[in-house]
Amino acid sequence: DTEVTQTPKHLVMGMTNKKSLKCEQHMGHRAMYWYKQKAKKPPELMFVYSYEKLSINESVPSRFSPECPNSSLLNLHLHALQPEDSALYLCASSQTGGTNYGYTFGSGTRLTVV
Amino acid sequence: AQKVTQAQTEISVVEKEDVTLDCVYETRDTTYYLFWYKQPPSGELVFLIRRNSFDEQNEISGRYSWNFQKSTSSFNFTITASQVVDSAVYFCALRLGYSTLTFGKGTMLLVSP
Repeated sequence: DTEVTQTPKHLVMGMTNKKSLKCEQHMGHRAMYWYKQKAKKPPELMFVYSYEKLSINESVPSRFSPECPNSSLLNLHLHALQPEDSALYLCASSQTGGTNYGYTFGSGTRLTVV
Repeated sequence: AQKVTQAQTEISVVEKEDVTLDCVYETRDTTYYLFWYKQPPSGELVFLIRRNSFDEQNEISGRYSWNFQKSTSSFNFTITASQVVDSAVYFCALRLGYSTLTFGKGTMLLVSP
């Protein structure tokens, strides 16, 4: 099993809604990442979890709240988003301890905020 | 600080043509790792190759080949006999030590029949 699974694939939400994005991997990776990608741009790092602890927060607004309940799951809780938050949200995972490891990415959640 | 430059924003070719995607990186570290990812319209970033800074051996995988040149800080990617299914955005990325990936801006490749 060499996949990172993200749900839902598409999400439309209003600015007052609360929703969550989910990411799951069963490769035994202990580092997990959230990226945001706008159209025609490279992915931008949002959060990094290492051994279920938040290790990097790239100054992301508090309306985005990450959670890592266990070593296989990563959530991104969304609340009071703005239309400019519409983007593709990618989850990734990697092994830790060895820097030559690439990341395995999920297929993303396309989020539209209306 | 590290940086990855993909100067080609978009390339259009006709099927069966060869095409090279350029990648130039900047880093002061002597140990680093370079990657290429493919992003088709579906959105998933597909890992293509990883190369560390101590291994300048070029690599070939089917129609794909990579040319790593430390002297010019380049890690170029060539697709031989391109196919329509190769149409995607291709990202070059750099990783230093225990840092996270730094992506280039990507090159969109359009292969027409």
